[in-house]
Amino acid sequence: GQNIDQPTEMTATEGAIVQINCTYQTSGFNGLFWYQQHAGEAPTFLSYNVLDGLEEKGRFSSFLSRSKGYSYLLLKELQMKDSASYLCAVRDNTGGFKTIFGAGTRLFVKA
Amino acid sequence: EAGVAQSPRYKIIEKRQSVAFWCNPISGHATLYWYQQILGQGPKLLIQFQNNGVVDDSQLPKDRFSAERLKGVDSTLKIQPAKLEDSAVYLCASSTPGGNEQFFGPGTRLTVL
Repeated sequence: GQNIDQPTEMTATEGAIVQINCTYQTSGFNGLFWYQQHAGEAPTFLSYNVLDGLEEKGRFSSFLSRSKGYSYLLLKELQMKDSASYLCAVRDNTGGFKTIFGAGTRLFVKA
Repeated sequence: EAGVAQSPRYKIIEKRQSVAFWCNPISGHATLYWYQQILGQGPKLLIQFQNNGVVDDSQLPKDRFSAERLKGVDSTLKIQPAKLEDSAVYLCASSTPGGNEQFFGPGTRLTVL
């Protein structure tokens, strides 16, 4: 089966750096995604990793280690608008390409 | 480019009633997804279409939920009869075939009383 674990909540200070971890178990790994979801809104795509290593996109970076079943999302120069839930999701190709979402990490950015 | 459209945005019904949601994906997106997101949880895939064919519906409660995408474009999701635990946001998303990014609509917030 599939399982995705990420912390429920995190708090960080404006201007700081925060790392949100995600561990997963899946039988047919075919990529890992991070989505941002502001309260009351739909998720929006942040990043995609399928190979090991770091993908950087502006203030956001995402890392993947397939052997460890581990990923993290790194947010630099935090802004108040980064307060949101961050969803880790894994695509599994067992019986079709299905995306499984974790419960999300609620990030609170304080001044 | 227009995004994913969903209607209605909000719906309140009583248990045992029926409800239907509509989704129009981004033009040219062959893959369409319906997710259920209960408050405080991540989205849970209910059904995935590739054009008008079902790719995965393993988590769709088929005794009460049904979905169709007859012409391979827009889609409807129906619940009949609704239960209290169906209260959630129903999200529709679309992507290009093999695409890595899913584009989500604004969702329909369903409250079952």
